[in-house]
Amino acid sequence: DTGVSQDPRHKITKRGQNVTFRCDPISEHNRLYWYRQTLGQGPEFLTYFQNEAQLEKSRLLSDRFSAERPKGSFSTLEIQRTEQGDSAMYLCASSPWTSNYGYTFGSGTRLTVV
Amino acid sequence: AQRVTQPEKLLSVFKGAPVELKCNYSYSGSPELFWYVQYSRQRLQLLLRHISRESIKGFTADLNKGETSFHLKKPFAQEEDSAMYYCALSGDAGGTSYGKLTFGQGTILTVHP
Repeated sequence: DTGVSQDPRHKITKRGQNVTFRCDPISEHNRLYWYRQTLGQGPEFLTYFQNEAQLEKSRLLSDRFSAERPKGSFSTLEIQRTEQGDSAMYLCASSPWTSNYGYTFGSGTRLTVV
Repeated sequence: AQRVTQPEKLLSVFKGAPVELKCNYSYSGSPELFWYVQYSRQRLQLLLRHISRESIKGFTADLNKGETSFHLKKPFAQEEDSAMYYCALSGDAGGTSYGKLTFGQGTILTVHP
């Protein structure tokens, strides 16, 4: 297991296009989190899953954003009709749920909307 | 609502000098506090957790519930400590926000030779 993997590393898209990001967590981790980070800010929570159940979504997650974790393993984050304000680093992290050891983060997907 | 404040965006010290990165939080219960670090061109990684009372790379942090602070300290800074540091908070066990982290805005530490 090489840790948390995110794909792609970089994505440049035109405004109005849809994009999808993938996250593969550490296999034995039940929880998976998505965060967004813009320049000069700390990571902002978007949503998280426990196994395949999406337990919480931030108010930041507009209806253009959707996330899935269909089999409790990998997760996808889709942004529809992208806007320039969606440009950010999208971070995925995973953790076991039985104890609070903190997260293991992926390298992130940097989205640029032009 | 839970909130984490890191009042300094930038902190510069010379090698060998003591360093303290400040973190204040707002939370009504008994939070769990963390420090994360991001070195240049690397992913965000856990530095230490208050619950384990550990010292990692010479850094320590003490949870002060009276002052709602969790400052990160190191007595003698090294050049390799230069990085972005984030303080983060998780709600208490049994609560809905347990395990979900709220991050501060981060402090860029630069250690000069």
